[in-house]
Amino acid sequence: IAGITQAPTSQILAAGRRMTLRCTQDMRHNAMYWYRQDLGLGLRLIHYSNTAGTTGKGEVPDGYSVSRANTDDFPLTLASAVPSQTSVYFCASSDQYNSPLHFGNGTRLTVT
Amino acid sequence: SQQGEEDPQALSIQEGENATMNCSYKTSINNLQWYRQNSGRGLVHLILIRSNEREKHSGRLRVTLDTSKKSSSLLITASRAADTASYFCATDAGNQGGKLIFGQGTELSVKP
Repeated sequence: IAGITQAPTSQILAAGRRMTLRCTQDMRHNAMYWYRQDLGLGLRLIHYSNTAGTTGKGEVPDGYSVSRANTDDFPLTLASAVPSQTSVYFCASSDQYNSPLHFGNGTRLTVT
Repeated sequence: SQQGEEDPQALSIQEGENATMNCSYKTSINNLQWYRQNSGRGLVHLILIRSNEREKHSGRLRVTLDTSKKSSSLLITASRAADTASYFCATDAGNQGGKLIFGQGTELSVKP
């Protein structure tokens, strides 16, 4: 079934550790996004990529980095995790500018 | 800051009733989208309305857009228990390069 695959589905991580959240899509969409969802704050955009080889910062990029080496993969890295990065992380993709987003089922991350 | 804000934050109705959710936004937009999220899952796109459209229908869903008031509404007619979910509006915030900014969502509970 075409869509977005995120891994892991959940993770408990010690503060200070490095972690990469994986995201792969098989729809050949140009644009990909990372959002975090926190209770009472809705979804906030972390980083995005309009096409392979390019990335940009969203609303809350600090403490996160991304890369887009190819069309299908868009990993999100926390270089040194902090408790405030405890959240549910969603990867999404879209065909083109202003198109609807397709979401993965999220990674629930707890930083202790 | 959030571009879109939903109202009410929570809504509880009986099956068969209509549910109306509202979204207000701050800056000019190219389009506005509504998404649904079931508990523990990723968001699913429902409907997209462009800035030059005033109303759009999809099955039991009706979306209106008033650009002069910077507001939109989502109406679900003849609600069902399966409509229980959180509903989010998202806007492209005009000059944000196509990135979607989400509101905090309305949590809808439909009681059988």
